[in-house]
Order: sequence, then structure tokens, then C-alpha cells
Amino acid sequence: QSALTQPASVSGSPGQSITISCTGTSGDVGNSNLVSWYQQPPGKAPKLIIYEVRERPAGISDRFSGSKSGNTASLTISGLQAEDEADYYCCSYAGRSTLVFGGGTKLTVL
Amino acid sequence: QVQLQESGPGLVKPSETLSLTCDVSGFSISSGYYWTWVRQPPGKGLEWIGTLYHTGTTYYRPSLRSRVTLSVDTSKNQFSLKLISVTAADTAVYYCARLWTEAFDVWGQGTMVTVAS
Repeated sequence: QSALTQPASVSGSPGQSITISCTGTSGDVGNSNLVSWYQQPPGKAPKLIIYEVRERPAGISDRFSGSKSGNTASLTISGLQAEDEADYYCCSYAGRSTLVFGGGTKLTVL
Repeated sequence: QVQLQESGPGLVKPSETLSLTCDVSGFSISSGYYWTWVRQPPGKGLEWIGTLYHTGTTYYRPSLRSRVTLSVDTSKNQFSLKLISVTAADTAVYYCARLWTEAFDVWGQGTMVTVAS
């Protein structure tokens, strides 16, 4: 069960859009619509921001959007704000009732 | 409002057993949902440990299956993690979380466990 692959870091200026990729295999991301994304500010617990590839929980800004193509899922944050600076993790169902996370991406707002 | 709170020793000796409990408030575990444990070694990413249902059905991370046991106590509305034969590699912040449509929608604040003599 290998971790999903995410870029170690991404950055953007306020107001810009950024996209974080999450690459897996046909055994996880490629064969599942159960991909979720989490935002984790420093020293805090993760927070669910996207589930089932593109759905947003109540209270999550529509600046956050998710998509998937083949074995790669993506998180896009539009209208970047300083408060978006955090670590972001993807997670996918990986079959046989198991789950796998990505390695995490540090977002820096310049 | 559903809240989860982890508790347990912050320091465990190598080769001993790590035991943590997650108290659930604002929701009855017996009502459904799956309940999980996730850990995060210092400076590293998140790692799914295992999931259980209130009936006692469990699912474990393959690499930890031989050392981990999850259990539930519906009378106390809590669930627990036991990890045997710990090493320094098990040092991490341990989170309990609720699982919904294979997404972790409610998290505890996390508890740091250090494995050291």
C-alpha cells in the first residue's frame, strides 16, 4: 500500500489559483470516486474540504474544488487567500476496505 | 455537534503496548458510521491505521495488521486502539476520526505519543 504522490510544495500569490495533484494507481484513485482532500494548518488537526472527488462539506468555501482524471485527482484553490496557507492531503479508497493518503503538499501564499 | 477526544499515555517504552481511547460526544457510536485511527509522525504525512464499525467489524492497514487491535465500547461511547511491540517508528500524533463515505469528516484534536526509554 504505497502513499499517493503529491508535490511537496506549491505556492501562489493572493488572488491567484493553484492546483495540487494527487497521483495513484488503478488500484486506488483510478478505480474509485472515494477521493477526499484535507487542509491541515500547522499544529492543528486536518479538516475535510472535499469528499467523493468533488463534493464540498457544508461550510467549505466554493473556492475549493476537486476533480479527477484517470489515476490523478486534483484540488484547485481559486482566489488564494493568506488563510489558505497550510498542508494539504489527499486520500483515496484503495480496495479491501483500506484507505491511503498522499504524502502531503505545503501551500505557501506569497 | 459531534466531538472526538483522544486520551492515553504520552510516553511508551520500546517493545511495550500503546493504548489510546477516543471518547465520542454528540453522537451515539451505536447509531452507525465507521470510526478510525490515523497517525502522523513528526514532520511527516498522515497514515491510516484502521477502521471499525460499532458491531466490532475491523479493517487494518496491512503493514500494521499483526500489531494493531481496534475495539469499541458502546456503553461508554468510546473506541480504542492498541498497538503492541512499539518502536521509535511508532512515535506520532495519533488522531481518532469519524469515517463517512470513506472520508474523515470529524477529527479529534490529536494526542502525541512518544516511544522512548
